Order: sequence, then C-alpha cells, then structure tokens
Amino acid sequence: QLVVTQSPSASASLGASVKLTCTLSSGQSTYAIAWHQQQPGKGPRYVMTINSDGSHTKGEGTPDRFSSSGSGAERNLIISSLQSEDEGEYYCQTWGPGVRVFGGGTKVTVL
Amino acid sequence: VQLVESGGGLAKPGGSLRLSCEGSGFTFSDYFMAWVRQPPGKGLEWVSYITSEGVTMHYADSVRGRFTVSRDNAKNSLFLEMDNLRVEDTAVYFCARDSFYNGRPEFAHWGQGVLVTVSS
Repeated sequence: QLVVTQSPSASASLGASVKLTCTLSSGQSTYAIAWHQQQPGKGPRYVMTINSDGSHTKGEGTPDRFSSSGSGAERNLIISSLQSEDEGEYYCQTWGPGVRVFGGGTKVTVL
Repeated sequence: VQLVESGGGLAKPGGSLRLSCEGSGFTFSDYFMAWVRQPPGKGLEWVSYITSEGVTMHYADSVRGRFTVSRDNAKNSLFLEMDNLRVEDTAVYFCARDSFYNGRPEFAHWGQGVLVTVSS
C-alpha cells in the first residue's frame, strides 16, 4: 500500500532554516512526491515536486529559499531564511497507479 | 491557470449534490483532473481523479460507489456528482490539475475550494 509519512510538526526561529521530511512506504521509492503549502485560512498552494533521483521542479511562485534534499524513500523540503508567512501546514503528496496519496501534514511554526 | 469550483452547499444525509470546476488558462483536455477534500480542522484527502479524455476514473475507498467524476472537455469543465451523502462527507472540496496526459506527474494548480455541509 502506497503511504507517505510526515512528522506532525516542525519549528524554527525567524530567519533560520527548517527541514521537513516526507518518507515513502517500503518498496515505493521510485515515485515522485510533491509538497503543498497551506497557510491558515487559505487553500493549498503547490511548492515543488521532488523526483526519486533528488531532482526537483518548483512552482511558478515558489521563492528561491525553498529547496530540496534527499532521494530514494526520503524527500526533504528545506525552507531557509524562514519568514512569518511560511507558517502553516505542509502536505506531502504522491501519485500511484489509480490513486493519489496525501500525508497527514507537518505544521510549521515560526518562533 | 485558473480553476473555479461551484455547486457547494447544504445537503441532508442521503441527499445529493453536484460540484463543478471550470478551468481556464491552459489546454484543459491535456490534463488529468482531480478532486481533493478537507474536513473541518483536518488534513487533505484525495477523492477522485479522471484521465484527460475522461475514459478512466479512480476513487478513494471512502467515496467509491457514491461519487461519480466526469468532465466535458468542450466546456473546460470537471464535475463531481455526490450521491447518498453522509455527515462525514462534510468538507471543503478542491479541484486540482493533475498529471499531464503523457503521465508526467503534476499537481501544480488548485481551485479556491467549495464547502459541502451534510447535516439533518
């Protein structure tokens, strides 16, 4: 069964960096994953797609301070120079045959 | 790219609602399209997707047999027919542009969402 797992929360100080991790279920590491941001009271907004080889494609409005790391089963979203507007929920999502899967979300708090 | 949903509202348990999503700013018929929902205070849940020609549809277990996704490429429109509604279907429903027809994975554009409330 295709599952993506995220830590429930992450926090860092204003101007610092934070790393969010998305882990694909065993045997599913060849799938691409996407990150979506949801600010409080708003709809989701696409951030980037990370492929199994670690390469990534960002959304049109995604700032340069959003980057990625990791490959294989673990794909990370890194937010550098953290801003107050980065606070919110971040969802990992993947594409399987006949299914789309979302993780439970990571709540990011800017201290 | 713009996706605009409509058709939400209040329905009674066992009732029906039909959601619509109109796309613009891209070649609608080139893309799979998806529905995703978010119950109040909870995370995102994939509901359904339909392939670019509208030939193949897939559903989450929670809605299979009750919801039907369709599209009209001539009108750049996506639909979700929701029957036998349950209280637990209460959520904001988003349409999203899914993968390109050749299989390139994408989920880069979302609508603003429409609220569906199921209550007696």
